[in-house]
Amino acid sequence: EVQLLESGGGLVKPGGSLRLSCEASEFSLSSYSMNWVRQAPGKGLEWVSSISNTGTYIHYADSVKGRFTISRDNAKNLVYLQMNSLRAEDTALYYCARRYVTLGKGMDVWGQGTTVIVSS
Amino acid sequence: DIQMTQSPSTLSASVGDRVTITCRASQSVSGWLAWYQQKPGNAPKLLISKVSSLESGVPSRFSGSGSGTDFTLTIYSLQPDDFAVYYCQQYNGNSRTFGQGTKVE
Repeated sequence: EVQLLESGGGLVKPGGSLRLSCEASEFSLSSYSMNWVRQAPGKGLEWVSSISNTGTYIHYADSVKGRFTISRDNAKNLVYLQMNSLRAEDTALYYCARRYVTLGKGMDVWGQGTTVIVSS
Repeated sequence: DIQMTQSPSTLSASVGDRVTITCRASQSVSGWLAWYQQKPGNAPKLLISKVSSLESGVPSRFSGSGSGTDFTLTIYSLQPDDFAVYYCQQYNGNSRTFGQGTKVE
């Protein structure tokens, strides 16, 4: 079954860092743009970052620009989100999701998410 | 960045109703508009891409339309499984902004 599995979430103090990972199974990440989307408790979806299939094009939401870094390792079928200078407002469930750019589709496969809590 | 505004925020409906959710972009998204459904405790599910292209397996009672900056998701004959939160998302340019969501209750 085609799946994405996020890991790396946890409790961190304000100003701290975390690295999230997203592993693909039963498909090759190398054909897809990958995205991180977060959802704060009881709130809507917020796009965080995206990276093209080769890693050439990278984009961030203004809310995380300069603090978060997205990267990928296609050989390992992994995508990462390095989160630095974390703030309370970064507390959320973080999803990774793929997008098949060639067909102009939206994000058609999502993981179940990993929870990040920023609190002292 | 492109801002997306959905309306209404909450919609009360009954089984069998026709439901319409609108989504307005702050500038043209050139047809790169998707709709998602999210149920409590679950990840979002892609329903429609490119304004009106239905994902495989999505019931035909779901329909998307619109152009430029104004888009609509219509659910013809609402079913019990359709009570959920719906989000629009633009994926034009350098951002992938979501609308704030519409809860169908």
